[in-house]
Amino acid sequence: EVQLVESGGGLIQPGGSLRLSCEASGFTFSNYWMHWVRQAPGKGLVWVSYINRDGSNTNYADSVKGRFTISRDNAKNTLYLQMNSLRVEDTAVYYCARDGIADRPIDYWGQGTLVAVSS
Amino acid sequence: DIQMTQSPSTLSASVGDRVTITCRASQSIGEYLAWYQQKPGKGPKLLIYHASSLESGVPSRFSGSGFGTEFTLTISSLQADDFATYYCQQYDGSRPFGQGTKVEIK
Repeated sequence: EVQLVESGGGLIQPGGSLRLSCEASGFTFSNYWMHWVRQAPGKGLVWVSYINRDGSNTNYADSVKGRFTISRDNAKNTLYLQMNSLRVEDTAVYYCARDGIADRPIDYWGQGTLVAVSS
Repeated sequence: DIQMTQSPSTLSASVGDRVTITCRASQSIGEYLAWYQQKPGKGPKLLIYHASSLESGVPSRFSGSGFGTEFTLTISSLQADDFATYYCQQYDGSRPFGQGTKVEIK
């Protein structure tokens, strides 16, 4: 069974840093592109970032470019999101998500971890 | 960057109704369009990919159509379990979502 379990969320002050982790199981992690998607309270889904299978290709939404860094450790089956210079508007549930194979879209999602940026 | 625009933002309907949601891309994305369903407190669920392909296990009352810049999601006969929020997403390059359509009980 595919499982994606996020951790690392919490309350952080504006300007602070946080690292999210997503532990994957039930599939060959190194074969899949991975994503982070966020959702502010009561708002819609916003794609944040993706990373390819070996970590050599990444892409970011304009709203986080230069502040967030996605990475992965295929030996540990873990995806990361390093978030720096956090802003109040970064407050959201952050979902880890797996891309499908062969040009297919995201097909599995984690349960999400809440990041709250507030003074 | 490509932007996705969904309409309507809210839709009131009754069980048994035929429901259609529209998604427009700011430039052509071919068939790289997916539809997701999200219920409160849960992660999204993939319904449709490649604009019109039904994900395994998804009821056949859901269907998708379109190509290029204009796409639709249709629920042929709305069931109680279908009251939720629906999102489109393009997946050719960056992955923007539409703003969502909440389907609520009339």
